[in-house]
Amino acid sequence: QVTLKESGPVLVKPTETLTLTCTVSGFSLSNARMGVSWIRQPPGKALEWLAHIFSNDEKSYSTSLKSRLTISKDTSKSQVVLTMTNMDPVDTATYYCARMPLELPFDYWGQGTLVTVSS
Amino acid sequence: EIVLTQSPATLSLSPGERATLSCRASQSVSSYLAWYQQKPGQAPRLLIYDASNRATGIPARFSGSGSGTDFTLTISSLEPEDFAVYYCQQRSNWPQTFGQGTKLEIK
Repeated sequence: QVTLKESGPVLVKPTETLTLTCTVSGFSLSNARMGVSWIRQPPGKALEWLAHIFSNDEKSYSTSLKSRLTISKDTSKSQVVLTMTNMDPVDTATYYCARMPLELPFDYWGQGTLVTVSS
Repeated sequence: EIVLTQSPATLSLSPGERATLSCRASQSVSSYLAWYQQKPGQAPRLLIYDASNRATGIPARFSGSGSGTDFTLTISSLEPEDFAVYYCQQRSNWPQTFGQGTKLEIK
């Protein structure tokens, strides 16, 4: 059974760095076909793709947020980590991680974690 | 970056009716277009991938069509549980992008 679960702070202050962890089970991050993305959704708004890490450790980032994002993985812990620097209230959103196999779109999603940016 | 434009923004229909949702890409995405359904408080669920392939467990009343820049999601006969927000997403080019969504509401 494939599952993904996001974890991290529910509240961060402006200018702080956000660190989110996605813990996966039911598949291996070392599987050559498997990648994981982070996607966010501000309250009442649309989905926004943020970053992706491939099985070979290559990364891809949102053009508009590239300077603030870092994605990494720890295969032994089955975890994918996203850091976002210089948080702002407009970054308040539910953050999802999702699995993306090669040649397929996002087939499994985590439940999401709501992050609020406020002083 | 490829922009996906969904229409209409809101669609008001009754159970049993046919729903037609549109997604237009700013440049060709070939057939690398997916559709997701999202209900309040839930993560999106994959419905259709590669324009016309139903994901595992998706009922046959959901179908997708199109290629290049114009795509359609059709729900042949709406069930009460189908009222939700629907997003299209392209994986033809990085960065991947989503449309702004179509809200399917009960009339």
